[in-house]
Amino acid sequence: GESVGLHLPTLSVQEGDNSIINCAYSNSASDYFIWYKQESGKGPQFIIDIRSNMDKRQGQRVTVLLNKTVKHLSLQIAATQPGDSAVYFCAETMGGGADGLTFGKGTHLIIQP
Amino acid sequence: DTGVSQDPRHKITKRGQNVTFRCDPISEHNRLYWYRQTLGQGPEFLTYFQNEAQLEKSRLLSDRFSAERPKGSFSTLEIQRTEQGDSAMYLCASSLATSTDTQYFGPGTRLTVL
Repeated sequence: GESVGLHLPTLSVQEGDNSIINCAYSNSASDYFIWYKQESGKGPQFIIDIRSNMDKRQGQRVTVLLNKTVKHLSLQIAATQPGDSAVYFCAETMGGGADGLTFGKGTHLIIQP
Repeated sequence: DTGVSQDPRHKITKRGQNVTFRCDPISEHNRLYWYRQTLGQGPEFLTYFQNEAQLEKSRLLSDRFSAERPKGSFSTLEIQRTEQGDSAMYLCASSLATSTDTQYFGPGTRLTVL
């Protein structure tokens, strides 16, 4: 699978491979983290979330890993499909709603046939 | 469709005109958020309501921006005297106040100021 240690604006992977998208978050006080998928012309779509008291959470074909020591979040997508092509954003918040979500830099995932 | 809806989906206006956008949240959600997204960037938080109370508005971009949620259901975002720099996607999200407060987004309103 394709993985990157640092944030890249674009990640290109072969269909069927695994992909890893990385994100560095900014606020050490943040306690809730979300990955969103955004297709062109659409709003962000919720993928998976994780609270700060966890370091891993799995969903269907997706896994989120949280490393609070280095303020790093990653999204792993297994067996990527053409429909996974989109821009992926991580977001953080301290909860409670008043500070909204702070979004990281997006990564454009391109699936090659 | 029980998701967040926004209207209109696209708005083209001339500089100096006022525009108003509407957001209908998921029906049982009591929190509602507005964000702005410019090309190539992630959404930027603007303001937030819990029921009808606007609990955070210091992040609104200028005093030309205002938002209301009069009955705690739908919300409107108004931009007065639009400028070309206001061209962006305006996103609405809603959530149910719980320990996770997961926000679900609508499709957005694309504003173009000529």
